[in-house]
Amino acid sequence: AIQMTQTPSSLSASVGDRVTITCRASQGIRNDLGWYQQKPGEAPKLLIYAASSLQNGVPSRFSASGSGTDFTLTISSLQPEDFATYYCLQNNGYPWTFGQGTKVEIK
Amino acid sequence: QLVQSGAEVKKPGASVKVSCKASGYRFNNYYIHWVRQAPGQGLEWMGIMDPSDGGTTYAQKFQGRVTMTRDTSTSTAYMELSSLRSEDTAVYYCAREKVVNHAFDIWGQGTVVTVSS
Repeated sequence: AIQMTQTPSSLSASVGDRVTITCRASQGIRNDLGWYQQKPGEAPKLLIYAASSLQNGVPSRFSASGSGTDFTLTISSLQPEDFATYYCLQNNGYPWTFGQGTKVEIK
Repeated sequence: QLVQSGAEVKKPGASVKVSCKASGYRFNNYYIHWVRQAPGQGLEWMGIMDPSDGGTTYAQKFQGRVTMTRDTSTSTAYMELSSLRSEDTAVYYCAREKVVNHAFDIWGQGTVVTVSS
């Protein structure tokens, strides 16, 4: 199975900060990666698909890049509603696998 | 949207069957996946079902214990997990795979399954 290593596991940041989260795949997955945001008590929400494409309705402060094994999600200016847990998910091969998650907390 | 069945409490060794009713789109045209999340933990992919023919692929971890089925007449997908143990206590989600980009664009609200004696 493809392992997804997501870092950091948590971070503290202030409103307006630039935040970067990374995922590394144990083998090349082309651009078969999505990013999801989850708030407590809610289902995850799709932010990014195909490694860098912004899902409809997602604010443009979210961006992502990467291909092969290394991927990055960036929030350019953190907003109060962005405090949540973020997951990457590879869909290159079964079993699909998630990163361990990154909890973004208020500093 | 995807609407899931309500919370369940089961005893160890029992089975649970969670439903996921689709509406607002053509059910047969999108794969349905199941994902679970244990309390305070991350997301775990369980498997996928093709509603058009019932074909499935399961994560090896759940092979032999999980069965994913569907009823096309009611646009409902089902996930049954047997031989439950305490470690199966989790929120179970169904999610629709967007065919063009293989992302989960719609999720169910989640079903809490508690396994306790």
